[in-house]
Amino acid sequence: DGGITQSPKYLFRKEGQNVTLSCEQNLNHDAMYWYRQDPGQGLRLIYYSQIVNDFQKGDIAEGYSVSREKKESFPLTVTSAQKNPTAFYLCASSWGSSYNSPLHFGNGTRLTVT
Amino acid sequence: SQQGEEDPQALSIQEGENATMNCSYKTSINNLQWYRQNSGRGLVHLILIRSNEREKHSGRLRVTLDTSKKSSSLLITASRAADTASYFCATGPNTNAGKSTFGDGTTLTVKP
Repeated sequence: DGGITQSPKYLFRKEGQNVTLSCEQNLNHDAMYWYRQDPGQGLRLIYYSQIVNDFQKGDIAEGYSVSREKKESFPLTVTSAQKNPTAFYLCASSWGSSYNSPLHFGNGTRLTVT
Repeated sequence: SQQGEEDPQALSIQEGENATMNCSYKTSINNLQWYRQNSGRGLVHLILIRSNEREKHSGRLRVTLDTSKKSSSLLITASRAADTASYFCATGPNTNAGKSTFGDGTTLTVKP
């Protein structure tokens, strides 16, 4: 079955540590995205990538970094510079730009930093 | 700030009733999409309606778009307990910005 896999489902880290969230897709989609969701709120775009080896900052990129070395993979690193990293992180992909084609989401990683 | 804003924030109905939720946005759009999110899960795409379309159906879902009022509505007919979820609209801007913007969602509870 085609889809997006995010791992792990739950992640716990101590403050000051960097942590990397995994996102893999086998849908052969060109575009991939990372969103952050806080309780009772909508999604805010962190980073997105429309092709391999290229990515752009979204609305809340500070304290995060990404790479896109392979079409299937778009890992997100939450660095110690992110002031409030505890959140639900969602990865998505689309065959074209998200403004013109539906997004396919993974089931998210819930990150807790203490 | 978010482009789309859903209304109401929360909606509670009995099974079998219809549920209507609305989305308003501020700037011109290329399309508008509706998504569903079950608790603790990712979002699932429901319907995409383009700016030149006024109404679209998919099973028990009916979406309307009024570009003059910059608003859209999602109607779920004959609701079921399994429809309990949060529903989000996402607007695709009328530019090649490559990204959609999500609202804060409507939380729907369908009581059996």
